[in-house]
Amino acid sequence: GENVEQHPSTLSVQEGDSAVIKCTYSDSASNYFPWYKQELGKRPQLIIDIRSNVGEKKDQRIAVTLNKTAKHFSLHITETQPEDSAVYFCAASSGGSNYKLTFGKGTLLTVNP
Amino acid sequence: GAVVSQHPSWVICKSGTSVKIECRSLDFQATTMFWYRQFPKQSLMLMATSNEGSKATYEQGVEKDKFLINHASLTLSTLTVTSAHPEDSSFYICSLETGDSYEQYFGPGTRLTVT
Repeated sequence: GENVEQHPSTLSVQEGDSAVIKCTYSDSASNYFPWYKQELGKRPQLIIDIRSNVGEKKDQRIAVTLNKTAKHFSLHITETQPEDSAVYFCAASSGGSNYKLTFGKGTLLTVNP
Repeated sequence: GAVVSQHPSWVICKSGTSVKIECRSLDFQATTMFWYRQFPKQSLMLMATSNEGSKATYEQGVEKDKFLINHASLTLSTLTVTSAHPEDSSFYICSLETGDSYEQYFGPGTRLTVT
């Protein structure tokens, strides 16, 4: 089955700096890669996603890049703000008949004011 | 998109009892729903895929006789934790996928504490 590795497990940055979180996946059939932000006790919130036919996607301060050959994808957050502090999860899915997601272990991002 | 609710939002039960958690799709008829478990400071782990009108598909290592899933209608899936033990204490989250995209819509989660 799919295996998703995520690094780093914790990341602390100063407000205004950029943050980068990286993930690798093992199943070459995976074709959908979402990123979620989860605050304590809340449901995961989709912040951006990318499909395998695209190399990069951007939404305001958030961007995701995908390298299918190397099987890795990254989340980039620019101009970080204290409200960006949360746990971020990457995930991968091969779609198919049930679209099940395999999650990375998460990154605790702390943005210091 | 889709709106997903869960009930209850939190529950405390005694060891050995059973607890039922409901996952409802409020505006979409979902043939497939997913159940995840999340221990404190850990990631979401898929437990099973719930299929309307048929048996659920369990992930490796998940006891199907302990975690009973019933997807009796297109808007409701239930997860029953039978003979709960303290190690079953966790955050249980359901989700569904609408078929329009790969995006999954998550419920708000249920915090289960077994004493």
